[in-house]
Amino acid sequence: EPEVTQTPSHQVTQMGQEVILRCVPISNHLYFYWYRQILGQKVEFLVSFYNNEISEKSEIFDDQFSVERPDGSNFTLKIRSTKLEDSAMYFCASSPGQRTDTQYFGPGTRLTVL
Amino acid sequence: GDSVTQMEGPVTLSEEAFLTINCTYTATGYPSLFWYVQYPGEGLQLLLKATKADDKGSNKGFEATYRKETTSFHLEKGSVQVSDSAVYFCALRKGSQGNLIFGKGTKLSVKP
Repeated sequence: EPEVTQTPSHQVTQMGQEVILRCVPISNHLYFYWYRQILGQKVEFLVSFYNNEISEKSEIFDDQFSVERPDGSNFTLKIRSTKLEDSAMYFCASSPGQRTDTQYFGPGTRLTVL
Repeated sequence: GDSVTQMEGPVTLSEEAFLTINCTYTATGYPSLFWYVQYPGEGLQLLLKATKADDKGSNKGFEATYRKETTSFHLEKGSVQVSDSAVYFCALRKGSQGNLIFGKGTKLSVKP
């Protein structure tokens, strides 16, 4: 069964460094999402992406964040200058066609900022 | 703003016990409601959903009914198994948007 994959499973970085979190969505899906979950808090929507552009973003998704689909298979989240409060589990998701289709999630990347 | 509140965990049950995980929501309009489950080391998987009031979602012995009058979507299972041990997330989605709004998640541990 096709699944969303994410790499790495755990990323440790120093404050101020740039990180790129990678996701491979299910191959025929058209909508892509990033969510995050700070330890002990709710899973929060960050951004959705369709047709090579951002379709929605939350207030969390500020200028330090960017997303890209560089090669037609990967979907990346870049954090330019990490802060301690960026430490969280980051989930990628994809859905087949319409925005209201079921979203399929990856296992997550745990980001630890020291 | 729109939000989801679910009961704090962890919840520990013996095998074959009855499970209820409470979920209430705050939203304008008529959201769709979801339960996702995350097994250890895996991503969130859709467990069940309901798109309008009084709809009942069901899957793998789990059920939840969309109650607009109480703004609730409680998850129930009559007889849990050890394999049901996981984290359960309640979520809503507004009709015109794609993003999901999640609760904090409830960890369930089922002991043999």
